[in-house]
Amino acid sequence: DTAVSQTPKYLVTQMGNDKSIKCEQNLGHDTMYWYKQDSKKFLKIMFSYNNKELIINETVPNRFSPKSPDKAHLNLHINSLELGDSAVYFCASSHHDRGTEAFFGQGTRLTVV
Amino acid sequence: GNSVTQMEGPVTLSEEAFLTINCTYTATGYPSLFWYVQYPGEGLQLLLKATKADDKGSNKGFEATYRKETTSFHLEKGSVQVSDSAVYFCALITNSGYALNFGKGTSLLVTP
Repeated sequence: DTAVSQTPKYLVTQMGNDKSIKCEQNLGHDTMYWYKQDSKKFLKIMFSYNNKELIINETVPNRFSPKSPDKAHLNLHINSLELGDSAVYFCASSHHDRGTEAFFGQGTRLTVV
Repeated sequence: GNSVTQMEGPVTLSEEAFLTINCTYTATGYPSLFWYVQYPGEGLQLLLKATKADDKGSNKGFEATYRKETTSFHLEKGSVQVSDSAVYFCALITNSGYALNFGKGTSLLVTP
């Protein structure tokens, strides 16, 4: 059983398109995240949701819009894709409790051409 | 704010060598500390963690001790294997935080 699953694993698209990445967790966690990993492997938090409520919204362009229909899902929609959006996007989940680790999905490699 | 500083990579070692990857942090309050590992083409996996001062986390031969006095959580392994080649991330979360703060990652290459 995959704990945190995100789809698709690879996404190649043209500039200007709109795309979505889906994420689901079956761990019963109350908090979900989106991280962006750049070409130098640096991980940056984009969004954090706790019980479907947006908690963290870092300085991310408003072309990125997360949607959490329920506690088990956190999808990421990206409008008007740009070349600089090319990266690996990771979904993760955890219990909001000190000391508990986050579980990560396998990542979505987005390439904008 | 909270931050994590890791030694720059890449680190290249011969098989069976001793590994140390340094990690220091700044945080408000008392954070929990983690090491994650990312194998090529994969997501991040938790390697080990420590939730309070002087705790030692260990897994797969790796160890790290939460040192509050030096605000450090250095990763060590006595004898690395080729299969340990990966990127290692140090991270923290505070008890009021809602996301892990990651260091920049240290790439490790172990050669036969």
